[in-house]
Amino acid sequence: EPEVTQTPSHQVTQMGQEVILRCVPISNHLYFYWYRQILGQKVEFLVSFYNNEISEKSEIFDDQFSVERPDGSNFTLKIRSTKLEDSAMYFCASSVGTGGREQYFGPGTRLTVT
Amino acid sequence: AQTVTQSQPEMSVQEAETVTLSCTYDTSESDYYLFWYKQPPSRQMILVIRQEAYKQQNATENRFSVNFQKAAKSFSLKISDSQLGDAAMYFCAYRSDFSGNTGKLIFGQGTTLQVKP
Repeated sequence: EPEVTQTPSHQVTQMGQEVILRCVPISNHLYFYWYRQILGQKVEFLVSFYNNEISEKSEIFDDQFSVERPDGSNFTLKIRSTKLEDSAMYFCASSVGTGGREQYFGPGTRLTVT
Repeated sequence: AQTVTQSQPEMSVQEAETVTLSCTYDTSESDYYLFWYKQPPSRQMILVIRQEAYKQQNATENRFSVNFQKAAKSFSLKISDSQLGDAAMYFCAYRSDFSGNTGKLIFGQGTTLQVKP
């Protein structure tokens, strides 16, 4: 069964460094998402991406964040200058459509900022 | 803005028994979808069940069923014949169905379910 994959599974970085989190969505999916889950808290929407552009972003997704689909298969989340509060689990998800279509989630990348 | 609330941070159930997890939501929209996702210790979220708001009939998937009360904005998950593998965090989620929506999910805080042997 097709699945969403994410790399790395765990990333440790120092405050102020840039990180890139990578995701490979399911191949025929058209809608892509990043969510964040701070330890012990709820899953929060960061950004949605469709037709090679951001379709919606949350207030969390400030100028330090960017997303890209560079080659038609990968979907990346970049944090330019990490802060301690960026430490969280980052989930990528993809969907063939909106509405009731299922969003398939990747296993997540645990980002630790020291 | 839509919100989703899960008021039970933790629940426990005896193996083979039935448990109900609560979820309420707030929205001014009439068309939307509701979901329950399971997040086991491995952390990958898996869809358990979905409900279309326009359907009066409650969704069921094997041992999982929902009690959808649209007027009360309530969407509870019932797990029958609980199994050890059901132990996980469960998230209730909302998704708009208006034209042009981006499909983002709005999650509740989650309920950790413990299953006792």
